[in-house]
Amino acid sequence: KAGVTQTPRYLIKTRGQQVTLSCSPISGHRSVSWYQQTPGQGLQFLFEYFSETQRNKGNFPGRFSGRQFSNSRSEMNVSTLELGDSALYLCASSGDRDRVTDTQYFGPGTRLTVL
Amino acid sequence: GQSLEQPSEVTAVEGAIVQINCTYQTSGFYGLSWYQQHDGGAPTFLSYNALDGLEETGRFSSFLSRSDSYGYLLLQELQMKDSASYFCAVRGNTGGFKTIFGAGTRLFVKA
Repeated sequence: KAGVTQTPRYLIKTRGQQVTLSCSPISGHRSVSWYQQTPGQGLQFLFEYFSETQRNKGNFPGRFSGRQFSNSRSEMNVSTLELGDSALYLCASSGDRDRVTDTQYFGPGTRLTVL
Repeated sequence: GQSLEQPSEVTAVEGAIVQINCTYQTSGFYGLSWYQQHDGGAPTFLSYNALDGLEETGRFSSFLSRSDSYGYLLLQELQMKDSASYFCAVRGNTGGFKTIFGAGTRLFVKA
């Protein structure tokens, strides 16, 4: 079974621009979560989607948004980029049975650099 | 809100045992998870505790005390490849049902 894939793997943008990141979950997984990872801050929860519905949202400004498609693929968008948005953005998927153990399968991440 | 605390760094020697502690604060606690992340890699799931007690998976064990809002990850027979960051994560229902991760503990295994 193929793992979680994220595209692109690396991205360089300038302040004020917007960016869209993509995540393809493991086949059959309906839940997709997004996290921002910066050194010393761990993984900060952005949002979680399940069957095209946003189930939960973290404490990030409205510039961060996401969506999920009917095939469970998910995208997140960051508008009006700021230098502080430079981070590794991780996507994780989980299947219905994984909810019992809260197991999430992470993709390799997209490294976003804002100049 | 939800929050977790874990040490930022731990150093141990090959073959030894190391314990990484995690204290958490959340409402509607569901469970505590542990993830391992090597440099440049993705976090990978290690263990999950929903009930008090010890869960053992090979060289790794995880413990939970719900009354103390505390858990730990125990790594035995340390190997060089265990050098990585370890994150505890709590699944709770504070402001919505979600999983929150700690800042991570960097484990250095020395020869």
